[in-house]
Amino acid sequence: SQLAEENSWALSVHEGESVTVNCSYKTSITALQWYRQKSGKGPAQLILIRSNEREKRNGRLRATLDTSSQSSSLSITATRCEDTAVYFCATDTNAYKVIFGKGTHLHVLP
Amino acid sequence: EAAVTQSPRNKVAVTGGKVTLSCNQTNNHNNMYWYRQDTGHGLRLIHYSYGAGSTEKGDIPDGYKASRPSQENFSLILELATPSQTSVYFCASGEMGGAETLYFGSGTRLTVL
Repeated sequence: SQLAEENSWALSVHEGESVTVNCSYKTSITALQWYRQKSGKGPAQLILIRSNEREKRNGRLRATLDTSSQSSSLSITATRCEDTAVYFCATDTNAYKVIFGKGTHLHVLP
Repeated sequence: EAAVTQSPRNKVAVTGGKVTLSCNQTNNHNNMYWYRQDTGHGLRLIHYSYGAGSTEKGDIPDGYKASRPSQENFSLILELATPSQTSVYFCASGEMGGAETLYFGSGTRLTVL
């Protein structure tokens, strides 16, 4: 079973719109990370939010963390075509393993 | 920016053959990881390492071995490759710590015929 899992397989929005990707996880964590993977590339980290933080921002990106419901969200405002990618949430465990969800495919349409 | 280099970028192997995937990182990170990526499964952890000489099993280690001969290098070995191991393999490195940023290579596409 997945320790971390995004709630949507695929999302489509038009350029300029906002979009939110949600993630749920099953274990206590020290941090949750959001990664983006563009076609043909390895994943790259967008935001790392620690368990004692509730919100973290990085430009047009905003991540939230709710440890009581074991969930996180990544919001992207003013989307651009280049935001088209697969978005993963990932959690660490006490054993220093980093486990990824299955990913949400985001398509930003012109 | 952390640099993680994987080789080869593409590999075609025959069933039953031995395959070695190599990974090199130049940022002196203690931890290194091997993941495979398949449609519908996301990234799944095969093996990881805390440092030179150490290897640990991830979530799907069966059919794979790993070797960490130095801080910089981490290899994934398929002693007897099978078609089910056809996948894209990613290596990553990160600093020691409970919450760490992983830096990924560009991946190796392996096809086992």
